[in-house]
Amino acid sequence: EVHLLDSGGGLIQPGGSLRLSCAASGFTFSSYAMSWVRQAPGKGLEWVSTISGTGSSTYYADSVKGRFTISRDNSKNTVYLQMNSLRADDTAVYHCAKDGKMRFPPEGYSDYWGQGTLVTVSS
Amino acid sequence: ETVLTQSPATLSVSPGERATLSCRASQSVSNNLAWYQQNRGQAPRLLIYDASTRATGIPARFSGSGSGTEFTLTISSLQSEDFAVYYCQQYNDWPPYTFGQGTKLEIK
Repeated sequence: EVHLLDSGGGLIQPGGSLRLSCAASGFTFSSYAMSWVRQAPGKGLEWVSTISGTGSSTYYADSVKGRFTISRDNSKNTVYLQMNSLRADDTAVYHCAKDGKMRFPPEGYSDYWGQGTLVTVSS
Repeated sequence: ETVLTQSPATLSVSPGERATLSCRASQSVSNNLAWYQQNRGQAPRLLIYDASTRATGIPARFSGSGSGTEFTLTISSLQSEDFAVYYCQQYNDWPPYTFGQGTKLEIK
């Protein structure tokens, strides 16, 4: 059974940094791209970033490019999101998600999602 | 960037009836479209991918159709657990992957 466990969220001041983690199990982790998708309170879904199975290719939304870095450790079945220069509009629940197909480039839809971790950026 | 517009924003339907949700793309996305269901406080659940393929474990009452710019999610006979928010997502023109703003399906 596929399982994704997001962690690392919390309350952080504007301009601060935070690293999110997502521990995966139940599938061949290195064969699938992984993504982060966020949801601001009361709002819809927003794609943030995707990393290929090997970690060699990364993709970002313009809203986070240059501030966020996605990475993965395939030996630990874990994907990370390093978030720097945080702003109030980064406040959201952040979900990690598994790509739907074992391919490169990533397929783009997500067949399994973590429950999410809440990031609150506020002074 | 491909913009997805979902309609209606809120749909009121009685249990046992059919629900039809729409998603329109600002440019063709071929059949590279997915539908998700999200209950309050929970993670999204994949229902449909490639516009019309049901994901693993999704009941047959959920069906997707369309291609290009017009897509439809149909729930043939609503069950109590189907009242939720539904999102479409395109993965044809990326980055970025984009989502619609959602349709809330509520009990009439």
